[in-house]
Amino acid sequence: GQNIDQPTEMTATEGAIVQINCTYQTSGFNGLFWYQQHAGEAPTFLSYNVLDGLEEKGRFSSFLSRSKGYSYLLLKELQMKDSASYLCAVLDSNYQLIWGAGTKLIIKP
Amino acid sequence: GAVVSQHPSRVICKSGTSVKIECRSLDFQATTMFWYRQFPKQSLMLMATSNEGSKATYEQGVEKDKFLINHASLTLSTLTVTSAHPEDSSFYICSATPLGASTDTQYFGPGTRLTVL
Repeated sequence: GQNIDQPTEMTATEGAIVQINCTYQTSGFNGLFWYQQHAGEAPTFLSYNVLDGLEEKGRFSSFLSRSKGYSYLLLKELQMKDSASYLCAVLDSNYQLIWGAGTKLIIKP
Repeated sequence: GAVVSQHPSRVICKSGTSVKIECRSLDFQATTMFWYRQFPKQSLMLMATSNEGSKATYEQGVEKDKFLINHASLTLSTLTVTSAHPEDSSFYICSATPLGASTDTQYFGPGTRLTVL
């Protein structure tokens, strides 16, 4: 079956760095998305990786290794507003989105 | 657990026809279901929130007469795109909140790709 795993919850300190991992087993691969979702709001697009490697966008970076079925989202210089759920989703061979359950990130002062 | 399915996974229709998309929570009951629209590599745009047995709440700018939502049971919500036009072509995604959970908890469906010719 298809499966996406990511930690349920993580805690980090303001100003620090945190890495949220995502591993996947899907039928085919057409890219991996990371979304940020604040409570009560729609998910916001953060990144899309389809090739191996690291993509940096300001404080956020996303890494992909297709051979390992692995991605991570790296958040630097954490701010309180980064407290949210982070969703990993893979587009499979049928262009269907397979979603992880989300990682709730708690930022402490 | 917590699986949400959508049917169909993809649909192609002619301009002017109506298309119905189903969203089902397979192994849990959902008090609230959400319908989103996603454009390529962009954020999900919330279209409407539906609660079982009551009328859906539509977001500003979403035509309720065009996008009909029915949440007839605790496991099924449907979105009907009426008189579809090419600009309605998009990826439609639903999510569901389990009974008793806050709406912070959402399980997403795999999406339905609609192409209007």
